[in-house]
Amino acid sequence: AQKVTQAQTEISVVEKEDVTLDCVYETRDTTYYLFWYKQPPSGELVFLIRRNSFDEQNEISGRYSWNFQKSTSSFNFTITASQVVDSAVYFCALGYNAGNMLTFGGGTRLMVKP
Amino acid sequence: ETGVTQTPRHLVMGMTNKKSLKCEQHLGHNAMYWYKQSAKKPLELMFVYSLEERVENNSVPSRFSPECPNSSHLFLHLHTLQPEDSALYLCASSQDQVGDYEQYFGPGTRLTVT
Repeated sequence: AQKVTQAQTEISVVEKEDVTLDCVYETRDTTYYLFWYKQPPSGELVFLIRRNSFDEQNEISGRYSWNFQKSTSSFNFTITASQVVDSAVYFCALGYNAGNMLTFGGGTRLMVKP
Repeated sequence: ETGVTQTPRHLVMGMTNKKSLKCEQHLGHNAMYWYKQSAKKPLELMFVYSLEERVENNSVPSRFSPECPNSSHLFLHLHTLQPEDSALYLCASSQDQVGDYEQYFGPGTRLTVT
């Protein structure tokens, strides 16, 4: 069975602070995919990043960075110098059955205050 | 604008009504998905279609009936729903159902069952 846990249900930070969103997953598959999505108040999920299980390289995209560690089954997401526009619910997801059947975590609501 | 549109955006229906949700993707993708997002549960995958054929039905009650007439359109027909079916229904599409292709989501239909 696939499972994704986002232990932080809600995080509040002040603008310009760095914040890390945790994601822990469980799967018996040797090939799997991990995703992060952002859901702003408008409701539409926006794709941020995907990783396959064979690629443990960390990635940086502007203020966003991701740390994938197979040893701890974690795929954490860090926002550097947070901004008010980063306020949203962030979902981590695990792709199984050759990729695109997604199991989502419960989401982390991030509130960035000015 | 992700290229996935959903109508209506809001729907209120009684338990004896019949209604349909519509999703259209303009991305040339081969796979389409229905998800349910309720307040008390993580995002749940309901149905997956690949090249207009249903690939997965995650034990969804028969009062939800999907239809995929072509690779650009996806419907969710609703009848005799229950109040607990009130939720945000999200449609998504991806290049293919297999592989690490990200899914593009529509804005969702907010359904309230009275």
